[in-house]
Amino acid sequence: ETGVTQSPTHLIKTRGQQVTLRCSSQSGHNTVSWYQQALGQGPQFIFQYYREEENGRGNFPPRFSGLQFPNYSSELNVNALELDDSALYLCASSLGVTPHTQYFGPGTRLTVL
Amino acid sequence: DAKTTQPTSMDCAEGRAANLPCNHSTISGNEYVYWYRQIHSQGPQYIIHGLKNNETNEMASLIITEDRKSSTLILPHATLRDTAVYYCIVREGGSEKLVFGKGTKLTVNP
Repeated sequence: ETGVTQSPTHLIKTRGQQVTLRCSSQSGHNTVSWYQQALGQGPQFIFQYYREEENGRGNFPPRFSGLQFPNYSSELNVNALELDDSALYLCASSLGVTPHTQYFGPGTRLTVL
Repeated sequence: DAKTTQPTSMDCAEGRAANLPCNHSTISGNEYVYWYRQIHSQGPQYIIHGLKNNETNEMASLIITEDRKSSTLILPHATLRDTAVYYCIVREGGSEKLVFGKGTKLTVNP
């Protein structure tokens, strides 16, 4: 059984560019949640995908979008990058939409210059 | 916004019990208390959760006061590898998201 994996590990972009981050959920999990963690802060919920549909969204603008694929892996897309988008992006997989346990990946460190 | 209040930092000697407090005075009847921890440069890791009763698993114990307004996470024999930021989270039973605060930075000293 493999855990949650994310790619890439690190990424550097410039302001205005677009970025796609990827997450492979733990085997058997059908739900992926994405979080943004700024330096020194706790993770903030971006959105959740359940069976390929968005199921809940945090206070993030529409330029943050996502996808979930039939194998339950997921992508986070961010358009028109801003300097404040620099953060650690975490995905968490779970079985069901309100699980007691979410399994987090190691994160992708995004730096926007 | 996070519904919990935790100390910013705590220290503990290796081999001793680490007791991490959390205040959640506005908790409602259907909200659970969760604890996660985040070791430096890694994703958060689930530790334990509870609703009303005290809970214990292989990692820790969770003590919830009778009025449910506060709780304590206990690591019975802290090791250096327990050095991490510990997050106490209150979540509604039907909510899909975890709302993290800033957590408590626990440092276990040799």
